[in-house]
Amino acid sequence: EAGVVQSPRYKIIEKKQPVAFWCNPISGHNTLYWYLQNLGQGPELLIRYENEEAVDDSQLPKDRFSAERLKGVDSTLKIQPAELGDSAVYLCASSPGGGSYEQYFGPGTRLTVT
Amino acid sequence: SQQGEEDPQALSIQEGENATMNCSYKTSINNLQWYRQNSGRGLVHLILIRSNEREKHSGRLRVTLDTSKKSSSLLITASRAADTASYFCATGGGYQKVTFGTGTKLQVIP
Repeated sequence: EAGVVQSPRYKIIEKKQPVAFWCNPISGHNTLYWYLQNLGQGPELLIRYENEEAVDDSQLPKDRFSAERLKGVDSTLKIQPAELGDSAVYLCASSPGGGSYEQYFGPGTRLTVT
Repeated sequence: SQQGEEDPQALSIQEGENATMNCSYKTSINNLQWYRQNSGRGLVHLILIRSNEREKHSGRLRVTLDTSKKSSSLLITASRAADTASYFCATGGGYQKVTFGTGTKLQVIP
């Protein structure tokens, strides 16, 4: 079974530039999560989708971050414009849904903003 | 914001020894989970313990939960070099927001 796929794995951009991350969850998983992980810290939830509906985006900085999951499958997270403080690892995870607890994480995208 | 705090922040042991790491959390929970993160396999779910359970085992892992103290511990017995990783506790899940702790960095020396 293929795991959660994320791309790109690494991205270096200059501040004020836009950037986008893509995630393809495990087939059949209805719930999709985007997390931000700073160095030496645990992941912090940005947004959670149940199918195509964003059910928890309270931690998403909506002035510069946006996300979509149009067909309830893959998802894109965008930052525009990026700031120096956005340098972090962006993790995508999925779970079967229906209240399932176990999350399956992708390898993450390491973003460096210079 | 981080719900849990792991203790110690870093731990270094010899292969074959046991490793114990602790997690304290702030609010009432329905369950607590432990995850492992290493460079090779990313973040992986290890075990879940429900609020009405006091202890749970899975292979070389033993997890305890004390809801009165709002704390949990993860014991890894007979550690191996491959156990070198960061370990995170997490609360929530299912239809609730998952909140991760700050992590314990474990190094197992061969």
